[in-house]
Amino acid sequence: DGGITQSPKYLFRKEGQNVTLSCEQNLNHDAMYWYRQDPGQGLRLIYYSQIVNDFQKGDIAEGYSVSREKKESFPLTVTSAQKNPTAFYLCASILSGGSNQPQHFGDGTRLSIL
Amino acid sequence: AQTVTQSQPEMSVQEAETVTLSCTYDTSESDYYLFWYKQPPSRQMILVIRQEAYKQQNATENRFSVNFQKAAKSFSLKISDSQLGDAAMYFCAYRSSSYTGANSKLTFGKGITLSVRP
Repeated sequence: DGGITQSPKYLFRKEGQNVTLSCEQNLNHDAMYWYRQDPGQGLRLIYYSQIVNDFQKGDIAEGYSVSREKKESFPLTVTSAQKNPTAFYLCASILSGGSNQPQHFGDGTRLSIL
Repeated sequence: AQTVTQSQPEMSVQEAETVTLSCTYDTSESDYYLFWYKQPPSRQMILVIRQEAYKQQNATENRFSVNFQKAAKSFSLKISDSQLGDAAMYFCAYRSSSYTGANSKLTFGKGITLSVRP
């Protein structure tokens, strides 16, 4: 079955360390998104990409970076510049052109500070 | 910019009863999409129901239905015959019909935690 795979499920970061969260999809979707979820905050958009080799900042991009070298993959790096990285991170995708289609979500990665 | 408001942080319902979760939104667009997502303790985001703004008929999916009031910018979710498995956090979300660029993102409310009493 097609879907979105996020790994790892749990991740711990040390002070000053960069960590990368993986997101892979086999849905042949064009657009991919990264959201951050904090308690009581809902989901907020970090970065999004609508085609390979192109991505744009979302509402809370500071301290994060992404790449989109392949259609299937959209990894998110949480850099040391992100001072409060503890959160639940969700990756999503959608088939561009399917305007009424919902976004599909992965199962998420929980990031914590050591 | 669009905003989505879920003003009730928590609600509780007796098993087999009906509950309505409220959502309001603000937009200057005339065409858009609205969604309700369910997030159980596993944290997976599950689509419950969606509504196209150009459709006057309210969407239904089995025990789930919406009351879409476009003029009032209200989009409530009704869960009938509540089951223990309905206990979860529910998010209301908005997306522009113009799905290019940042318009393709979902704007979420803060969510409401629904508990179901046996």
